[in-house]
Amino acid sequence: GAVVSQHPSRVICKSGTSVKIECRSLDFQATTMFWYRQFPKQSLMLMATSNEGSKATYEQGVEKDKFLINHASLTLSTLTVTSAHPEDSSFYICSARGDTDYNEQFFGPGTRLTVL
Amino acid sequence: GQNIDQPTEMTATEGAIVQINCTYQTSGFNGLFWYQQHAGEAPTFLSYNVLDGLEEKGRFSSFLSRSKGYSYLLLKELQMKDSASYLCAVVDSNYQLIWGAGTKLIIKP
Repeated sequence: GAVVSQHPSRVICKSGTSVKIECRSLDFQATTMFWYRQFPKQSLMLMATSNEGSKATYEQGVEKDKFLINHASLTLSTLTVTSAHPEDSSFYICSARGDTDYNEQFFGPGTRLTVL
Repeated sequence: GQNIDQPTEMTATEGAIVQINCTYQTSGFNGLFWYQQHAGEAPTFLSYNVLDGLEEKGRFSSFLSRSKGYSYLLLKELQMKDSASYLCAVVDSNYQLIWGAGTKLIIKP
């Protein structure tokens, strides 16, 4: 159990366009989902925490108008990178908090975004 | 501030044992995770410790000392496929995960 899917796995887009990434918890309800970004050879960087039905909480330095997060249901959260630029190219990973006693986060497989 | 320290890179030989240390200073403590991450992939869960002591799971073991703010991940009988980054993460008082920068483990034949 506790499977998280992410779509698409890879996306290449032109500068100035918007890209939407979906994160789904397949076999459990996730009241909280997290969005991370990871640049090559660096650790995970938390971008925002998303609770179902409420506005996302963004980490310092993350532009909420550029990275739009929607968590409309207990199994789906989306991240939209608006007006993408080459510096937005990165590995984006979502995770969902399960209902275990120890708050384990289950990770999606990640989305590799390349902005040309 | 909150801080997680772990070595940047370690090298070990196939078949040997390696210990990856993690020290932490966080606002509160509600558990410590170890994740494995292969290049280009998402992290996968290895272990969780919330009480002091050693948790063994096959070739991998994880140890925690809350009084010392210290944990280690022990990998035995190393295999080439164990080459990966190992991430230490602490759950703080707000139940947020604080991530270490990760330790890149290189296994040599």
